[in-house]
Amino acid sequence: GAGVSQTPSNKVTEKGKYVELRCDPISGHTALYWYRQSLGQGPEFLIYFQGTGAADDSGLPNDRFFAVRPEGSVSTLKIQRTERGDSAVYLCASSQPGGPYGYNEQFFGPGTRLTVL
Amino acid sequence: DQQVKQNSPSLSVQEGRISILNCDYTNSMFDYFLWYKKYPAEGPTFLISISSIKDKNEDGRFTVFLNKSAKHLSLHIVPSQPGDSAVYFCAATSGSRLTFGEGTQLTVNP
Repeated sequence: GAGVSQTPSNKVTEKGKYVELRCDPISGHTALYWYRQSLGQGPEFLIYFQGTGAADDSGLPNDRFFAVRPEGSVSTLKIQRTERGDSAVYLCASSQPGGPYGYNEQFFGPGTRLTVL
Repeated sequence: DQQVKQNSPSLSVQEGRISILNCDYTNSMFDYFLWYKKYPAEGPTFLISISSIKDKNEDGRFTVFLNKSAKHLSLHIVPSQPGDSAVYFCAATSGSRLTFGEGTQLTVNP
């Protein structure tokens, strides 16, 4: 079956511009996560959706970052007034409810590489 | 603060030998630990996991060991194969979000 897909695969923008990054989770997965991976670092949690609502948005770095998942499937990560420090690979993951020990394996997409010039 | 740390940015081993990747954590609330493998231009792929109630989990060539008292886990790959060359991330969770280490680049030489 299809995995998690993310579009675009690469995005180059100028400082101060607005960008939207899209994630299509695995069909039937109710949980969706956004992570950000900077060069030489591991992925860093941004936000987690359970269905349509953001269950945990404590990882969003500031109010320039916002994410939505209006129908409980596709999610869009929105970044306003981009800064050079926002350059990173933005990863999306999805998971099903349930699983051993209460943990649900997260399946990752290939990521969107964002470059802010 | 870095709650999950992988102190070795790289590791090089010969094909057929054992690869040992290490990870340390500081948060006692973590109750599940995972290893992910990542190839360039791809997302991380789940490899193996372990619950905090266990000290070992084995899956084929991959074994994860957990030492709770030392807050340390390790991934053993034996025998190592050239196709194992990738970045390996250690991750931990106490709920839904994963906290990742910085990654270790494993290179298996033929």
